[in-house]
Amino acid sequence: EDKVVQSPLSLVVHEGDTVTLNCSYEVTNFRSLLWYKQEKKAPTFLFMLTSSGIEKKSGRLSSILDKKELSSILNITATQTGDSAIYLCAVLSGGSNYKLTFGKGTLLTVNP
Amino acid sequence: GAVVSQHPSRVICKSGTSVKIECRSLDFQATTMFWYRQFPKQSLMLMATSNEGSKATYEQGVEKDKFLINHASLTLSTLTVTSAHPEDSSFYICSGRSAYEQFFGPGTRLTVL
Repeated sequence: EDKVVQSPLSLVVHEGDTVTLNCSYEVTNFRSLLWYKQEKKAPTFLFMLTSSGIEKKSGRLSSILDKKELSSILNITATQTGDSAIYLCAVLSGGSNYKLTFGKGTLLTVNP
Repeated sequence: GAVVSQHPSRVICKSGTSVKIECRSLDFQATTMFWYRQFPKQSLMLMATSNEGSKATYEQGVEKDKFLINHASLTLSTLTVTSAHPEDSSFYICSGRSAYEQFFGPGTRLTVL
């Protein structure tokens, strides 16, 4: 059974702090790893990582995949209260009928 | 990015009634659509995968006779929760596949009284 594990499950920081969220996976026929941000509604896409060692960056967020360690990290620098959300990691795996398996998410709370 | 819409966004119904949720891909053709369920403070759980024109594939533990999925066209999939009960109250999210990206609908909050 495919498994995606995120840590920590929750995190409370102050504005301006830098955070690192972790995701590890055990899946059959890995295709790519995705990060999503979920506030009150459905998740919004952040990054899709397919190759090891290549950092993807968007503003204060960045992410990198390590296929040898079967893991990924999501970094957020200079956090803001608007970054408060659940961050979901998901792994795309399988053959022609691929599926997306989600981790439980990390609840990030950024206090002013 | 591509857009997926869901309707209704929120529904409250009585126990025993059936509820239909529509999922539309607005600017792309989704050959595959996924239906997820999310309970409070939990992650998204895949319920079923539907391919246009064929029967949906349900995940283990999901009753196919209770959660009817129809994917009649490349832009529309529906989920019908039949004879809904309070334990079916949840956040239902659909997602359409375009190449190797998935785009999520905004979700439907179902409350069964």
